[in-house]
Amino acid sequence: LAKITQPISMDSYEGQEVNITCSHNNIATNDYITWYQQFPSQGPRFIIQGYKTKVTNEVASLFIPADRKSSTLSLPRVSLSDTAVYYCLVGDPRGSTLGRLYFGRGTQLTVWP
Amino acid sequence: GAVVSQHPSRVICKSGTSVKIECRSLDFQATTMFWYRQFPKQSLMLMATSNEGSKATYEQGVEKDKFLINHASLTLSTLTVTSAHPEDSSFYICSAQLRGLETQYFGPGTRLLVL
Repeated sequence: LAKITQPISMDSYEGQEVNITCSHNNIATNDYITWYQQFPSQGPRFIIQGYKTKVTNEVASLFIPADRKSSTLSLPRVSLSDTAVYYCLVGDPRGSTLGRLYFGRGTQLTVWP
Repeated sequence: GAVVSQHPSRVICKSGTSVKIECRSLDFQATTMFWYRQFPKQSLMLMATSNEGSKATYEQGVEKDKFLINHASLTLSTLTVTSAHPEDSSFYICSAQLRGLETQYFGPGTRLLVL
């Protein structure tokens, strides 16, 4: 399993861009990188997923360098409602782990007015 | 799309009773469902993997006789906490995955309180 390291907490102000970097040095060839957002007492919400280079959707961008040993979740112009825990996960849905996800501690993002 | 529901959203029970939690994929067929547990201020812990029509695979340290999982159809998996005790009080979350896709979609969670 890939060992994942991400900051425990981050602070930002409304309207700023937030970049959360995740380190996964021993990522396997078939592993995908997925980010989830979780609010208190709710299930995680899928944000974005990628394999390499850059992926963008309506809420975030995911940057993955060529060596894939890290990834950066970029949230443009955050608002107070983006205050949540963000989890970076690495896994292969079709490989030996059969899609099992092992959550780390995540990054608590706090957005201030 | 990709909506997963759980029922009930919260349950309070007496010690020694059994509690069943349902997880449904509402708009897709989930060949695989996963069950997690989350204690306050902690991360999600994977408990088991449930495949339709076969026995669940439990993570190390999770008692299969304590946490019974049934995945009877492609849209429904159930977790039964048997003879619940106060230490089983937690937030239980399921997720569903369609074969061939890389994304898991999570339910809203079920808060269990055992008195």
